[in-house]
Amino acid sequence: EDQVTQSPEALRLQEGESSSLNCSYTVSGLRGLFWYRQDPGKGPEFLFTLYSAGEEKEKERLKATLTKKESFLHITAPKPEDSATYLCAVRGSIYNQGGKLIFGQGTELSVKP
Amino acid sequence: KAGVTQTPRYLIKTRGQQVTLSCSPISGHRSVSWYQQTPGQGLQFLFEYFSETQRNKGNFPGRFSGRQFSNSRSEMNVSTLELGDSALYLCASSGLAGISYEQYFGPGTRLTVT
Repeated sequence: EDQVTQSPEALRLQEGESSSLNCSYTVSGLRGLFWYRQDPGKGPEFLFTLYSAGEEKEKERLKATLTKKESFLHITAPKPEDSATYLCAVRGSIYNQGGKLIFGQGTELSVKP
Repeated sequence: KAGVTQTPRYLIKTRGQQVTLSCSPISGHRSVSWYQQTPGQGLQFLFEYFSETQRNKGNFPGRFSGRQFSNSRSEMNVSTLELGDSALYLCASSGLAGISYEQYFGPGTRLTVT
């Protein structure tokens, strides 16, 4: 069965202290790995899509990378406004559970000034 | 371009009642998916609609149902509400279904069952 595991569950950083969030996955026929950011009481906000091992994408202080078994979300010199829950999701083959999007439990990031 | 809109934003219902939630996708998007988010279970997939047809369904009881209209707007219905149905219900839209693509989420409907 397809599965997504995110670690750590919670991460507290000081402003400017770079770190990485991990997303480990098992899926048949990966058709995309997605990163979202979710603020309290709001819907998830799309950040990145990665399709194949070795692919990298960047947006401001965030950089997402993908291997065959996991993805990392690197946060460089974070600011307090980066505080949020970061969600990872995978979509497998349409022949495997219909290709539905499967989410991890998320990493709650807190950045203190 | 306007984002995904969901109505109502907040709802309080009593056990045994039924509820209908509405979702309007981003203009031009034809696929709508619904998710339930709770602190314990996280984001769980309910169902996906494309061109008025249900394309995929999650592991939820038959009390949860949905439909999509010709203008791509979607509704989901929960009958015979239970306390455990209290959750944030999220709708997401995308341009196409059946291939890998980004989904854009609405703000959600917070349902509280008492």
